Amino acid sequence: QSALTQPASVSASPGQSITISCTGSSSDVGGYDYVSWYQQHPGKAPKLMIYDVNNRPSGVSSRFSGSKSGNTASLTISGLQAEDEADYYCSSYTRNNAVAFGGGTKLTVL
Amino acid sequence: EVQLLESGGGLIQPGGSLRLSCAASGFSFSDYAMSWVRQAPGKGLDWVSGISASGGTTFYADSMKGRFTISRDNSKNTLYLEMNSLRAEDTAVYFCAKGRSRIAPREGDSWGQGALVTVSS
Repeated sequence: QSALTQPASVSASPGQSITISCTGSSSDVGGYDYVSWYQQHPGKAPKLMIYDVNNRPSGVSSRFSGSKSGNTASLTISGLQAEDEADYYCSSYTRNNAVAFGGGTKLTVL
Repeated sequence: EVQLLESGGGLIQPGGSLRLSCAASGFSFSDYAMSWVRQAPGKGLDWVSGISASGGTTFYADSMKGRFTISRDNSKNTLYLEMNSLRAEDTAVYFCAKGRSRIAPREGDSWGQGALVTVSS
């Protein structure tokens, strides 16, 4: 059982927007602004898409954005493209000086 | 370009030990915290351990404390993970990841391709 809760799957058509939620507690998501989001294509290493709740690394499309409210963080992808189809994971620094991951969300672009 | 290359994976019997290495290049290794993250076949990401840039502070997932030891040799630009008392449930691809800060590995902004560890008799 993952420390952070994500929906197992989401789907949408190209051009649409989706939001993936990541729910934790005051000991992780709600207590720190150290939430990250990763994209992972099958057989590949994860790629950092968002760090510190809402910051994009250099080279990541502006279609990806992050936010947080209370114990829940969110990743929004706008203008969906076929190449966005992947697994997405959230993570958060925790009170125990560790990192917790969500269980992952499979995004299907219809 | 940041490059992280894991090695040392393989087939090991339950109860055995294994040491993974992660050779880093393309950045100032001694300036960044590093982490190990694993992924069991068909499962999600599972954070294992982290270490500060100097190596003076280490961090572990509760389930790994006492069995796994993270270390680094900044003179060799290499990160290590010593794994003891291995169990079938430790079977996974082990990734090393570079952090963005010196102190705590809060995220991984670059990842290796992973090393497969299979624990089976």
